[in-house]
Amino acid sequence: SAVISQKPSRDICQRGTSLTIQCQVDSQVTMMFWYRQQPGQSLTLIATANQGSEATYESGFVIDKFPISRPNLTFSTLTVSNMSPEDSSIYLCSARHIGEQFFGPGTRLTVL
Amino acid sequence: AQTVTQSQPEMSVQEAETVTLSCTYDTSESDYYLFWYKQPPSRQMILVIRQEAYKQQNATENRFSVNFQKAAKSFSLKISDSQLGDAAMYFCAYGEIGGGSNYKLTFGKGTLLTVNP
Repeated sequence: SAVISQKPSRDICQRGTSLTIQCQVDSQVTMMFWYRQQPGQSLTLIATANQGSEATYESGFVIDKFPISRPNLTFSTLTVSNMSPEDSSIYLCSARHIGEQFFGPGTRLTVL
Repeated sequence: AQTVTQSQPEMSVQEAETVTLSCTYDTSESDYYLFWYKQPPSRQMILVIRQEAYKQQNATENRFSVNFQKAAKSFSLKISDSQLGDAAMYFCAYGEIGGGSNYKLTFGKGTLLTVNP
């Protein structure tokens, strides 16, 4: 299995600011994913982040709003830029490891 | 695009009883994975069980088993001898087989399971 940690676990931010969420995996993984889970809703994929290439964004998500870095095989960051209250969600990092997909504990973001 | 439908927003079960959560999906692919994930209040997504579409045998993991009906595109989860710790949101998910972003998962809206003592 793979253990995934995220920082911060939660944050309260002012609108117009940006927050960078860090994701650390205890194993080397090729594929990492960032999901958003709005209150009481299901998970929606934001982007796929492969090491050594640009992130691939899903429909409705753009790089300017959600820039992603993937500097090595165990780490990724997601930045939520120019935040608005509509960005209040849980953001989950996920990684594919030996055929399974594991999830971090999530970052609960509240934008005031 | 693939879709996953969970038609039961909430379910409840008595402790020690059996409950079945429903899931249907839509895809044009012949090979894929199906998953059930559990998300307790801690928010940690936990893989409960996985089924490969090319396998006819239904997957089982201890008290958890699935009824996979490929032709009907149905993938239900049965929890036997329910325990208080089973209370959580359960998500059904579809995953493609392939490289690149095809490994992404498509999730249903979830079923909130309550276990009554």
